[in-house]
Amino acid sequence: DTGVSQDPRHKITKRGQNVTFRCDPISEHNRLYWYRQTLGQGPEFLTYFQNEAQLEKSRLLSDRFSAERPKGSFSTLEIQRTEQGDSAMYLCASSLGVGSRETQYFGPGTRLLVL
Amino acid sequence: AQSVTQLDSQVPVFEEAPVELRCNYSSSVSVYLFWYVQYPNQGLQLLLKYLSGSTLVKGINGFEAEFNKSQTSFHLRKPSVHISDTAEYFCAVRPNAGGTSYGKLTFGQGTILTVHP
Repeated sequence: DTGVSQDPRHKITKRGQNVTFRCDPISEHNRLYWYRQTLGQGPEFLTYFQNEAQLEKSRLLSDRFSAERPKGSFSTLEIQRTEQGDSAMYLCASSLGVGSRETQYFGPGTRLLVL
Repeated sequence: AQSVTQLDSQVPVFEEAPVELRCNYSSSVSVYLFWYVQYPNQGLQLLLKYLSGSTLVKGINGFEAEFNKSQTSFHLRKPSVHISDTAEYFCAVRPNAGGTSYGKLTFGQGTILTVHP
């Protein structure tokens, strides 16, 4: 068990470019979450997968954002036509179990800077 | 819907002094409560959680928190802090009922704890 990993750890891009982030959850964790954390704020929920099914998306997730989790393992978060307001830390978390038995384990995050 | 308010954005304290980080929440449904810690350039690490039962919960690194249902609070405490406790701390809630929002965490804005020698 090596924990949740995210790649890349840092990304600098120019406005209008597309970026893709990857999250590898803890092995056998069936739930995967994406959160966004802007400077001085707590993480905000973006979307969540149970296995390969995307079950909920936040209103924060505009049409420029898309997330996938093929085969219920790793997940990718793509942002198209990036804007400066997309600059943030993107956190991934995974969990196993339901109710009181569910604990989310977070990855180190991908810090995005849009110039 | 849930909301979490952390009443202090920054808390400076001297080493070996006690500390309390305050958290209040609002929710129309019953919730589980959590405290996470974030060290610089790292992800979130779970400190402790309240699920049910005893309102005083103990976590890692000597931290504890007390759930107060009437005041809708979940304050984090440590009797004696160390330099290594310097970090940002987040209070979070999650519904404990079913539905698609089942596992989604709602976080407060964070409290930066700075421990001075």
